[in-house]
Amino acid sequence: GENVEQHPSTLSVQEGDSAVIKCTYSDSASNYFPWYKQELGKGPQLIIDIRSNVGEKKDQRIAVTLNKTAKHFSLHITETQPEDSAVYFCAASLDTGGFKTIFGAGTRLFVKA
Amino acid sequence: SAVISQKPSRDICQRGTSLTIQCQVDSQVTMMFWYRQQPGQSLTLIATANQGSEATYESGFVIDKFPISRPNLTFSTLTVSNMSPEDSSIYLCSVNSGAGELFFGEGSRLTVL
Repeated sequence: GENVEQHPSTLSVQEGDSAVIKCTYSDSASNYFPWYKQELGKGPQLIIDIRSNVGEKKDQRIAVTLNKTAKHFSLHITETQPEDSAVYFCAASLDTGGFKTIFGAGTRLFVKA
Repeated sequence: SAVISQKPSRDICQRGTSLTIQCQVDSQVTMMFWYRQQPGQSLTLIATANQGSEATYESGFVIDKFPISRPNLTFSTLTVSNMSPEDSSIYLCSVNSGAGELFFGEGSRLTVL
């Protein structure tokens, strides 16, 4: 089955700096790669996603890149703000008529003001 | 999008007892997913609940321990049976947008003494 590895487990940056979180997946058939943000006491919420027919996607300060050959994808947050502090999960999913989503271990991001 | 309500939001239970968690969605969905998030950990899929059929359990999870009901297209329950302290976790209900995105409830935080 699919296995998703995520690094680093903890990331601390200064406000205004960039943050990068990296993930690798094992199942080359996976075709959907979402990123979720989980704030304390809440359920995860999708912040950006990318599909296997796209190499890069950007939404304001957030961007995701995908390298299908190497089976890795990354989240880039620029101009970080204190409200970006949260736990971020990458995930890999395969659409077989019903998505089964496997999550990475998570990265706890601290943005210091 | 989908709005998901879970009850209870948190509970403290005694060892050996059982607790049923309810999940209500504001729209009809084919599949509902139950995840477990142990303290400081990632999300692990317990089972997929389809209306009108038995739930499909992931490796390591069995129906006797985590019975699931899915009486209609907007509601599901997960029971954690014969609880032990190792069952202390956040249990999350989730639905899929149909395009891969998962929507989560706020979670049910369970502490077993």
